Amino acid sequence: QVQLQESGPGLVKPSQTLSLTCTVSGGSISSGGYYWSWIRQHPGKGLEWIGYIYYSGSTYYNPSLKSRVTISVDTSKNQFSLKLSSVTAADTAVYYCARGSYYYDSSGYYTVLFDYWGQGTLVTVSS
Amino acid sequence: QSVLTQPPSASGTPGQRVTISCSGSSSNIGSNTVNWYQQLPGTAPKLLIYSNNQRPSGVPDRFSGSKSGTSASLAISGLQSEDEADYYCAAWDDSLNVLFGGGTKLTVL
Repeated sequence: QVQLQESGPGLVKPSQTLSLTCTVSGGSISSGGYYWSWIRQHPGKGLEWIGYIYYSGSTYYNPSLKSRVTISVDTSKNQFSLKLSSVTAADTAVYYCARGSYYYDSSGYYTVLFDYWGQGTLVTVSS
Repeated sequence: QSVLTQPPSASGTPGQRVTISCSGSSSNIGSNTVNWYQQLPGTAPKLLIYSNNQRPSGVPDRFSGSKSGTSASLAISGLQSEDEADYYCAAWDDSLNVLFGGGTKLTVL
């Protein structure tokens, strides 16, 4: 059973960089086949996809956040991380890490799904 | 404002069948598959339906999904009190982004 666990500061000051780590257990990031993703949920709101990283280090980010986001991977620790720079109060959210699958199904339609999620961690941006 | 549009709320009584809609466009639902997630209060989302109508192992067959054109629907039959949760649709958009619906809060009366 794959498990993911987010960790990092729960409070970040405006203009600083938010840093979170996701530790994966029950499966190896290095085995490939999955895209390790970050998703956030603003308080009382819906979900927003942030981006993903593959074990090889290739990344893809939400175009609206791309200029501020960096996702990295440490396969030796079976972890991947999120950095979000120049944060404001609008970045206050619960941040989830998740295992993603991105593929074309048998009918040729593109499918993106997240089948394992961490429990989420609330990050508040405030001075 | 989410590009995938869901009704903010839905309700039903135990045993009833309820449906939740998700409306998109040709660049997302119209050309890619739809997934549905269930988020129980205070917990992380859980994959409920993928590829429009497929259920992951362990998801009861009371839950079903469908897609037609640029819209999709989640149906829950034999509604139970433990189905009270937020439900989100999601799809890849050809603008190279994953989109989620705004969520529908299901209340079991």
